[in-house]
Amino acid sequence: AQTVTQSQPEMSVQEAETVTLSCTYDTSENNYYLFWYKQPPSRQMILVIRQEAYKQQNATENRFSVNFQKAAKSFSLKISDSQLGDTAMYFCAFMKYDLDDKIIFGKGTRLHILP
Amino acid sequence: ETGVTQSPTHLIKTRGQQVTLRCSSQSGHNTVSWYQQALGQGPQFIFQYYREEENGRGNFPPRFSGLQFPNYSSELNVNALELDDSALYLCASSLGDGAGGGLNGYTFGSGTRLTVV
Repeated sequence: AQTVTQSQPEMSVQEAETVTLSCTYDTSENNYYLFWYKQPPSRQMILVIRQEAYKQQNATENRFSVNFQKAAKSFSLKISDSQLGDTAMYFCAFMKYDLDDKIIFGKGTRLHILP
Repeated sequence: ETGVTQSPTHLIKTRGQQVTLRCSSQSGHNTVSWYQQALGQGPQFIFQYYREEENGRGNFPPRFSGLQFPNYSSELNVNALELDDSALYLCASSLGDGAGGGLNGYTFGSGTRLTVV
C-alpha cells in the first residue's frame, strides 16, 4: 500500500521569503504521479503542481517548484517570494495510474505567511 | 464554466440517522470521486463513479453508498451514522475514460461539513 508522510505539521515564514515543505512517500510502483494541493480556508482543494514519476525534470509553476528525488522517494515543494495568499494547508499526494485514480493524501502542513 | 458545487455546506445529524450529500460536477466532466477529510487529516478516498457505475472504492463500509446520475451529478449516502463520520466530505470531478481520468485534473468542491452528535 502507498503512504504519504508530511513531517511538518505547521510552518511560518515572513512574506517574500522562500519556504520548503517536505514530503516522503512509499510505493512499490514505478509509474505514478505526485501532487501538491493547497486548501485555503474556503476548503476547496486546489492543485498547485504535478510531477510525473517518469520525468526526471522537476516541475515548476511560477513561484512554485518541486524537488523530486525518485530513489529517495522524496517530493518537496518550494515556494519562492511567498505571498499572504499562500497561507493555507498544503497536502502532498500520490496517485498511481489505475482504474479509479484514487489520490492518497498526506496529513498536510499548515503554512502561515506573516506580513 | 461552472466548478463543482456541493450541498449542503454544513449539516448536523444525530447518531443512527441517514444522510445524503449532493455534488454537481463541473461542466464536461463525467467522473466523480468522493473523499472524507477528518479534522486535522488529509482526505481519504471513499469511491469513484464513472458513467453512473462505481469505478473503485476505498476502505469504507457498505453503509457508505453513492449514485451518479445521467447528468453526472452524484450523491453520497451514509446510513446508520456514527460519531466518527463527522468530517468534511469533498467531491471531485474530472473528465475520464474509466482508467486514468485523474490525469486530466480533478476539480474539487468546497465540501460538506457533517457533524454527527
